[in-house]
Amino acid sequence: GENVEQHPSTLSVQEGDSAVIKCTYSDSASNYFPWYKQELGKRPQLIIDIRSNVGEKKDQRIAVTLNKTAKHFSLHITETQPEDSAVYFCAARFSGSARQLTFGSGTQLTVLP
Amino acid sequence: GAGVSQSPSNKVTEKGKDVELRCDPISGHTALYWYRQRLGQGLEFLIYFQGNSAPDKSGLPSDRFSAERTGESVSTLTIQRTQQEDSAVYLCASSLRGVGTEAFFGQGTRLTVV
Repeated sequence: GENVEQHPSTLSVQEGDSAVIKCTYSDSASNYFPWYKQELGKRPQLIIDIRSNVGEKKDQRIAVTLNKTAKHFSLHITETQPEDSAVYFCAARFSGSARQLTFGSGTQLTVLP
Repeated sequence: GAGVSQSPSNKVTEKGKDVELRCDPISGHTALYWYRQRLGQGLEFLIYFQGNSAPDKSGLPSDRFSAERTGESVSTLTIQRTQQEDSAVYLCASSLRGVGTEAFFGQGTRLTVV
């Protein structure tokens, strides 16, 4: 069945450094890849997304890259700040009849001051 | 309202009792998802509704779990004969139909089975 794997499960970086989180997906027909940020006790919120016809997208300090051939996509956060500390989830929308949104297992990012 | 609304926000129930969780999606959103999030864990897909199509129930963990949706509005998730392992936050999300449409989450219902 559809599967999204996410690595690492935890990541600690020094403030100002970059953070990279990687995900792989199983269904080559997947066509939409969002990233969500969930702060402690709060709901997940979309931070950036990318469609399958695009290889890279940037929004200020955040970027997402997509390699359709290898079926993986990554989140890049530059110049990290303490408020970036949260759990980050990748997801993929599969293009079959169900078209559900399947999430990775999450990455706990801690930015150390 | 402007966002996805879930009720109740917290529910404590005794083992063996049935519970019903409610989700009010954003008006006009045809797609609705239910997820379960155990403490410190990821988002486990439960069920997906899209308009009047048959729902994707492939994530429901057992026949104690069921969900309904009336048209493109409110959805209810029912858990019968609750067990302690059902304790989790149940999150609902909704989105417009289409490829690159954002799914907006509700604040969740924290269910505790004692």
